[in-house]
Amino acid sequence: DQQVKQNSPSLSVQEGRISILNCDYTNSMFDYFLWYKKYPAEGPTFLISISSIKDKNEDGRFTVFLNKSAKHLSLHIVPSQPGDSAVYFCAAGGNYQLIWGAGTKLIIKP
Amino acid sequence: EPEVTQTPSHQVTQMGQEVILRCVPISNHLYFYWYRQILGQKVEFLVSFYNNEISEKSEIFDDQFSVERPDGSNFTLKIRSTKLEDSAMYFCASSLGQTFNEKLFFGSGTQLSVL
Repeated sequence: DQQVKQNSPSLSVQEGRISILNCDYTNSMFDYFLWYKKYPAEGPTFLISISSIKDKNEDGRFTVFLNKSAKHLSLHIVPSQPGDSAVYFCAAGGNYQLIWGAGTKLIIKP
Repeated sequence: EPEVTQTPSHQVTQMGQEVILRCVPISNHLYFYWYRQILGQKVEFLVSFYNNEISEKSEIFDDQFSVERPDGSNFTLKIRSTKLEDSAMYFCASSLGQTFNEKLFFGSGTQLSVL
């Protein structure tokens, strides 16, 4: 039961370029979406979130776009920096439980 | 910045043994969670805890699992009789508010290896 899917296990981007991480979901009842970033041997850290009443949320170099009709969201990082190399998880849900995607490993090349 | 701390960072145990994973959530947080991540797989929700009782639990959280807040600071996950498939990284998290859209703060995890 993959309610939240991140279809790209990995993504390689040149430093300074835009990184675009994608996430698809199946449950139209999700009303809040979050992106977490995870470095090896560390717990996930919150990055940015978006409510279903919005289609865009921006925080510095990070922007999340939500397309409810397509049940798709994306995370844009611009410009990409070496410290952005990590695994990015998309999560969605309500109340106490988050449903997580499998993650996308982002590699920023110098 | 306040953080969630987890001990131990690594735990090795024999199949059938009991393990207790410990967490100290952020002091003013009210909601506590356990998640796990099996190597190479997604992060999975196990259980949430509020006001000294379980708020919600997943199918993974069966009778072998239990959680406890024995004092004002610790939050523990107990696995009574470990199985090989319990091997995973276990993350504790806490949040200030009730709804999931409150930012979750995660600990750095306990790597559990069941042999």
